Amino acid sequence: DAGVIQSPRHEVTEMGQEVTLRCKPISGHNSLFWYRQTMMRGLELLIYFNNNVPIDDSGMPEDRFSAKMPNASFSTLKIQPSEPRDSAVYFCASSGQGAYEQYFGPGTRLTVT
Amino acid sequence: KNQVEQSPQSLIILEGKNCTLQCNYTVSPFSNLRWYKQDTGRGPVSLTIMTFSENTKSNGRYTATLDADTKQSSLHITASQLSDSASYICVVEVNFNKFYFGSGTKLNVKP
Repeated sequence: DAGVIQSPRHEVTEMGQEVTLRCKPISGHNSLFWYRQTMMRGLELLIYFNNNVPIDDSGMPEDRFSAKMPNASFSTLKIQPSEPRDSAVYFCASSGQGAYEQYFGPGTRLTVT
Repeated sequence: KNQVEQSPQSLIILEGKNCTLQCNYTVSPFSNLRWYKQDTGRGPVSLTIMTFSENTKSNGRYTATLDADTKQSSLHITASQLSDSASYICVVEVNFNKFYFGSGTKLNVKP
């Protein structure tokens, strides 16, 4: 298995632009997690899905952030409009049915100028 | 106050030595506690996951302990190697649906 796949790996955009991050979880996994990591705040859980349904989005910082999971093999995290303080590494992780262990993707490094 | 506190913030040890990282938490109701290793520029990798009834769990040279009464966990690394240089993050899951993160311990193993 290729593991969790994220794209793009790096994104540089200007303030005010829309940014879309993509994630393909491990095949057969039914839970998907979006995280953000910065030096200042460490690792933060933004939202997670179970069987494509959002379970907890309390970590989503504000309305500019939205996440979707239209099917079991694909999820997006969108920021519109982006701001410099959104600069961070965004990780996607997935886990299997009834399993605790989460497998992380390589992350997307977002820079908003 | 952070609800999951890790100590020390950073640590330098010589290759071959042992070390212990600490994680204290205040959140409840406890579901499980996880230790992750994160190499620079990569995503975290799970080392151990401990439930309420587990006191000790090993993964190779990594041994985690959990005292659910005092809400303390430790991660012991035996015979450290250069490849152990990384950040180690403690995560506590509450109510099987909420996660609380420590700020991590940055370990540097020197030759």
